[in-house]
Amino acid sequence: DSGVTQTPKHLITATGQRVTLRCSPRSGDLSVYWYQQSLDQGLQFLIHYYNGEERAKGNILERFSAQQFPDLHSELNLSSLELGDSALYFCASSVGLAGGSSYNEQFFGPGTRLTVL
Amino acid sequence: TQLLEQSPQFLSIQEGENLTVYCNSSSVFSSLQWYRQEPGEGPVLLVTVVTGGEVKKLKRLTFQFGDARKDSSLHITAAQPGDTGLYLCAERGLRGGSNYKLTFGKGTLLTVNP
Repeated sequence: DSGVTQTPKHLITATGQRVTLRCSPRSGDLSVYWYQQSLDQGLQFLIHYYNGEERAKGNILERFSAQQFPDLHSELNLSSLELGDSALYFCASSVGLAGGSSYNEQFFGPGTRLTVL
Repeated sequence: TQLLEQSPQFLSIQEGENLTVYCNSSSVFSSLQWYRQEPGEGPVLLVTVVTGGEVKKLKRLTFQFGDARKDSSLHITAAQPGDTGLYLCAERGLRGGSNYKLTFGKGTLLTVNP
């Protein structure tokens, strides 16, 4: 158990819909990262938040957005869903930005499997 | 964005056999990490290598980082069914706004049959 929790574990929805994925980082971790894993693209970085502020964006579609709340949990919002958005979505957390390598180790949650029909 | 090539893509072996999987890039890695991902779970960090030529051991797993820091290998001795999983290599970005994001290879899916 990494200490990172994600809900829901499975989500089935239809094209055009909007969903929200939730992540609670490990106690004390200020950074939250979102990744998407699909068979064709592999595991890809989407976005990084640190202590409530967006720090970096990766291959995140404009239909997707995220935020990190004052209690440090994060939500990933996916809208106007398409069949191709079906994937595993992982959240990871780390202590912060500065310091040695131990501060940068990312701990992954169990993921949310999104199926768009 | 640096591309990480992993090979082989799939590997199916019998319990007790040895195996090696590879991670390569056309560019120098800042640092390289190896993860294992089991079905239904997120990736779990196995090791981080930073220095060219570095060798690290974790029980039956041996990790090597190439002298030029463009390649890495993971060798498993006497594989066991519990080693089954997706092995991913990843580089941690250290430049610009992408600090601390991970760039992953597509992985090697290992199946160890009893």
